[in-house]
Amino acid sequence: SAVISQKPSRDICQRGTSLTIQCQVDSQVTMMFWYRQQPGQSLTLIATANQGSEATYESGFVIDKFPISRPNLTFSTLTVSNMSPEDSSIYLCSVRTDSYEQYFGPGTRLTVT
Amino acid sequence: SQQGEEDPQALSIQEGENATMNCSYKTSINNLQWYRQNSGRGLVHLILIRSNEREKHSGRLRVTLDTSKKSSSLLITASRAADTASYFCATDARGTASKLTFGTGTRLQVTL
Repeated sequence: SAVISQKPSRDICQRGTSLTIQCQVDSQVTMMFWYRQQPGQSLTLIATANQGSEATYESGFVIDKFPISRPNLTFSTLTVSNMSPEDSSIYLCSVRTDSYEQYFGPGTRLTVT
Repeated sequence: SQQGEEDPQALSIQEGENATMNCSYKTSINNLQWYRQNSGRGLVHLILIRSNEREKHSGRLRVTLDTSKKSSSLLITASRAADTASYFCATDARGTASKLTFGTGTRLQVTL
């Protein structure tokens, strides 16, 4: 398994501002991902955070809006830029272990006013 | 659209009863994973079943996989009030580099 922490756990932000979410894993992992869960919905993959290279974004998500950093094998950040109320969601990072299980962090609950 | 569809969307049972949730998906998979989520918090990994497996057990959980029907089920036996949560299936489709596609989820309510 993997133990994942995220900071902040929640935040309330004004529209037009940006928030950076941090994800820390207790062991080195190759695969790390960022997901979004809008209120009352299931999870949607935003991007794969690649160590040492640019993230790979899913359809509907762009780097200018959701820049991602992955400086090493235990840490990643997701920034939600120029926020609008539609960005209010839970943002979760996940990691895939060598046994292909994926574990999730506790999530960051973002409210944009 | 979501690859996985779950049914029922909501399930209410009494403590001690069994709960069965079903998940259907559309493409070939490497594995399928089940998760629990309490009140919008983080996801708890329950079990992973590989495409060449048909059944797995973990404590009170039993998961089956039928790749010919592209479906899976999660059975929780002797349910407890603490099992009240949303349950999601997620598929790791072949050729997608471990990207998970989540089902719509089942909201389980276990009453005393």
